[in-house]
Amino acid sequence: EDQVTQSPEALRLQEGESSSLNCSYTVSGLRGLFWYRQDPGKGPEFLFTLYSAGEEKEKERLKATLTKKESFLHITAPKPEDSATYLCAVQAESGGSYIPTFGRGTSLIVHP
Amino acid sequence: NAGVMQNPRHLVRRRGQEARLRCSPMKGHSHVYWYRQLPEEGLKFMVYLQKENIIDESGMPKERFSAEFPKEGPSILRIQQVVRGDSAAYFCASSSSDLSPLHFGNGTRLTVT
Repeated sequence: EDQVTQSPEALRLQEGESSSLNCSYTVSGLRGLFWYRQDPGKGPEFLFTLYSAGEEKEKERLKATLTKKESFLHITAPKPEDSATYLCAVQAESGGSYIPTFGRGTSLIVHP
Repeated sequence: NAGVMQNPRHLVRRRGQEARLRCSPMKGHSHVYWYRQLPEEGLKFMVYLQKENIIDESGMPKERFSAEFPKEGPSILRIQQVVRGDSAAYFCASSSSDLSPLHFGNGTRLTVT
């Protein structure tokens, strides 16, 4: 059973068309939720960490929010260079360690 | 660039050969993680190490796979007697503590022919 579910799996937007990506999780004792961006042939690039419900983080056109059950990555007026796969990961205590568990990602394509 | 360094970027092995994947963590990071990525499965945790210690290897197959992070030198993920199902992208990540975000390298793409 997946602990981290991302939706949609794929999203196509026109340049300037704002939208949101969802990451829902079922772990208990969340210590942190991470958002990453991954370009083809590259490793995931760290974007944000959120620690508690109600927290928000922003970076350029991206804003991440967190509730007790899910996180959203809002993309405002996206540009073609925002095209990438966006991954979220949750960190919770398991067997004495805090190994981040990743969702399968949302593949975003922004058309000019 | 003081990021996580992985080599080789691409590795081709025939069935039955050994594959050795190397990872140098970011400067100042003592926690190393290995993940495997397949297109249909996403990033799957394999093993978590600190210097000279395996902390959690719950995601690593019991046979043929091993990992180390010696006192000196890079972390090594070793796959013995590779099979076609081992073909994947293997990513290494490092962090400064067990609650800090992970920073990833660009991976090693293993192809088993």
